[in-house]
Amino acid sequence: EVVVTQSPATLSVSPGERATLSCRASQSVSTNLAWYQQKPGQALRLLIYTASTRATGIPARFSGSGSGTEFTLTISSLQSEDFAVYYCQQYNNWPLTFGGGTKVEIK
Amino acid sequence: EVQLLESGGGLVQPGGSLRLSCEASGFTFSSYAMSWVRQASGKGLEWVSAISGSGSNTYYADSVKGRFTISRDNSKNTLFLQMNSLRAEDTALYYCTKSRRDSSGWTQLSTDAFDIWGQGTMVTVTS
Repeated sequence: EVVVTQSPATLSVSPGERATLSCRASQSVSTNLAWYQQKPGQALRLLIYTASTRATGIPARFSGSGSGTEFTLTISSLQSEDFAVYYCQQYNNWPLTFGGGTKVEIK
Repeated sequence: EVQLLESGGGLVQPGGSLRLSCEASGFTFSSYAMSWVRQASGKGLEWVSAISGSGSNTYYADSVKGRFTISRDNSKNTLFLQMNSLRAEDTALYYCTKSRRDSSGWTQLSTDAFDIWGQGTMVTVTS
């Protein structure tokens, strides 16, 4: 099983600042990695797939990078609606596995 | 609008059974693989099971293999999860998810990201 580790667990950021979230896989997953956003009371939203492709309707301030075992989600200028929990997921191998999440909170 | 609506959750004793349903709308249901993902309260996400568009191929997490069965009725645009021999550790919010890529004509069940999630249905296993 591919173990996916996210860091940090919590990220405190001021509105307008840049946020950088990390995701590491225990073995190469090529670029088969996705990022999701979870907000209370809302359905989870796919942000990024194939490591760097924005899903439909996702603002350009969200960007993904990386390949192999190291990945990054960057939010270039945090808006109030971006404070949430973010999960990465590898889909290179069965079983599909998720990281433990990074909570982005207001500083 | 693409939507997934889960139902069937509830309170059950250890060793009991439940059947979850997920009604899909807004897309050609039979063309997409589907999965169940769960989340215990305050915890992260755990993939549970996946099924191909035709229903002929399935995968399970080791934690549920032999106890849970995923199925679908493409004539009714509905996904199911039959859960038997339930344990306290199965307590979670269960989400129905749609795979991103159209897999019409694919013979294998391929891995994929999930582009649509339902709101979830809660399963509580307690005596």
